[in-house]
Amino acid sequence: DIQMTQSPSSLSASVGDRVTITCRASQGISNYLAWYQQRPGKVPKLLIYAASTLQSGVPSRFSGSGSGTDFTLTISSLQPEDFATYYCQKYNSAPWTFGQGTKVEIK
Amino acid sequence: EVQLVQSGAEVKKPGESLKISCKGSGYSLTSYWIGWVRQVPGKGLEWMGIIYPSDSDTTYSPSFQGLVTISADKSIGTAYLQWSSLKSSDTAMYYCATTRGDSGFDHWGQGTLVTVSS
Repeated sequence: DIQMTQSPSSLSASVGDRVTITCRASQGISNYLAWYQQRPGKVPKLLIYAASTLQSGVPSRFSGSGSGTDFTLTISSLQPEDFATYYCQKYNSAPWTFGQGTKVEIK
Repeated sequence: EVQLVQSGAEVKKPGESLKISCKGSGYSLTSYWIGWVRQVPGKGLEWMGIIYPSDSDTTYSPSFQGLVTISADKSIGTAYLQWSSLKSSDTAMYYCATTRGDSGFDHWGQGTLVTVSS
């Protein structure tokens, strides 16, 4: 099975910072990559699919890029409500494995 | 508006059976798959499997194959996740979520907390 590895596992950042999270697939997955946000105690929320397509209603400060094996999620200017854990997920074929998550904390 | 409503929290003993549900509304059953995701307290998301309610075509993660059963009743727009013999390690939050297959999971249920303890 294809493994999904996120880095870093956690990071500390301030409001207004630019934040980048990386997700690497152990084999190529084209652009079948989604990003989710999960705030503490809340349900995961789809942010981006097809590696770079913003889900309806998601603020434009979120963006995604990449194809093949290497992907990034960027938050251009971190807002207080963005402190959460972020997960990538491949969906080109089963199993639709998630990355281990990246926790974004307040500095 | 797509909505997924899951059954309520459960407290069970090891060895007991359990079936939890996920009822969808606001979308065409022929357009969406429903998946199940496990989250152990304090841990990450794990993809368990997925079902197409229209024909019950099901795919499991190798990590969960044989440990759970995913099913659906298209007449009432509901998907199920069941265990025949629970273990304490099954204690987790379980989410259902929909997908068209080309976008990841775009709508999520509120989650069902399953606690297995003697």
